Amino acid sequence: DARVTQTPRHKVTEMGQEVTMRCQPILGHNTVFWYRQTMMQGLELLAYFRNRAPLDDSGMPKDRFSAEMPDATLATLKIQPSEPRDSAVYFCASGWNGQGISYEQYFGPGTRLTVT
Amino acid sequence: EDKVVQSPLSLVVHEGDTVTLNCSYEVTNFRSLLWYKQEKKAPTFLFMLTSSGIEKKSGRLSSILDKKELFSILNITATQTGDSAIYLCAGTAGGTSYGKLTFGQGTILTVHP
Repeated sequence: DARVTQTPRHKVTEMGQEVTMRCQPILGHNTVFWYRQTMMQGLELLAYFRNRAPLDDSGMPKDRFSAEMPDATLATLKIQPSEPRDSAVYFCASGWNGQGISYEQYFGPGTRLTVT
Repeated sequence: EDKVVQSPLSLVVHEGDTVTLNCSYEVTNFRSLLWYKQEKKAPTFLFMLTSSGIEKKSGRLSSILDKKELFSILNITATQTGDSAIYLCAGTAGGTSYGKLTFGQGTILTVHP
């Protein structure tokens, strides 16, 4: 049963600390997305990659957030320094997209981040 | 900027009722519309609609897309308490942005016994 995995599932940290979230997409999927979900803003796209190349990170605060995909089996989202307003659930999703065709995305279980 | 709007934002019904959830979209170079169900965890995929007027059905859930009027509806018949969730719709675009989803704010459905 292929699924997206994310670690850690929960993270509590103090303001100013670095936070790294990891995602393993479904094998064979070529597109990986990072989302943030809060009650106020709903589900927001932060960044996404296709074939490991970053395509759009316009949803991400550039001064503190960074997203990378060092290989096809690992995507990372880093926040440095973290702030209380970063508290949210961060989802990773993966899908297969090719030749201008979009297919459904499958979501990981999320990382619940609390910054105190 | 692409935009997806859902209505109502919340809905409370009793078991056995039928509900209709609405989703309107403004997506440049639109390709397809997706529906997701989110309980207390990650969104799970329900439907993807690409063609106008063709209903997709899964059990008590069905959905249809109107590309002329730029909206979709999700129907749930004979609702059960297990249908309580947030229902999200999202539009995808073609061109260089293909694959990227623009989500609506969601409809919170509560089904009482």
